[in-house]
Amino acid sequence: GQQVQQSPASLVLQEGENAELQCNFSSTATRLQWFYQRPGGSLVSLLSNPSGTKHTGRLTSTTVTKERRGSLHISSSQITDSGTYLCAMEPTGGNNKLTFGQGTVLSVIP
Amino acid sequence: GPKVLQIPSHQIIDMGQMVTLNCDPVSNHLYFYWYKQILGQQMEFLVNFYNGKVMEKSKLFKDQFSVERPDGSYFTLKIQPTALEDSAVYFCASSQNRGREDYAEQFFGPGTRLTVL
Repeated sequence: GQQVQQSPASLVLQEGENAELQCNFSSTATRLQWFYQRPGGSLVSLLSNPSGTKHTGRLTSTTVTKERRGSLHISSSQITDSGTYLCAMEPTGGNNKLTFGQGTVLSVIP
Repeated sequence: GPKVLQIPSHQIIDMGQMVTLNCDPVSNHLYFYWYKQILGQQMEFLVNFYNGKVMEKSKLFKDQFSVERPDGSYFTLKIQPTALEDSAVYFCASSQNRGREDYAEQFFGPGTRLTVL
């Protein structure tokens, strides 16, 4: 079945450093969507990106569907960025269902 | 961003009982979804719904599960009867569009934590 692999599984940064989160997927995708999952479990949509590069604030998402990969760059990390980042892909021809990765747990320390 | 609401936030029931989880999607959205996340595990797709019909369901969407959105009100997930393995957080999501189109982004509710005893 479709699989989404995220790396690294966890990451510890000092405040102000940049983070690069990777997402690789096993089948062709229509788009990637990145989420932040709060410690309480709720999901916040960060970026939805069918291809190329998209920016919002300190976040940059790059999706290369032909190579079945994507990434999320977080610049100038802040302590409040700590949490779990989920990559989800919509398979080509799928009915808009999202397949999620296991997540990257980001810890930003002072 | 757009808000999806879910009621209740937490539900505890005895095995074999029926439960209905309610979702209030974003008002102009046309596509609706349920996902399931067991504690400490990956988020998994259950079902999606458009124009009054199920478009696709996963193998997790057992015969005991059903969804509906009567007259544009809440989008509901009903489990009857419940089993122990149904304990999880259930997330509702909605989107205006799908695929590569603009506005295909899915927005998620805060989840309903279901505990089956």
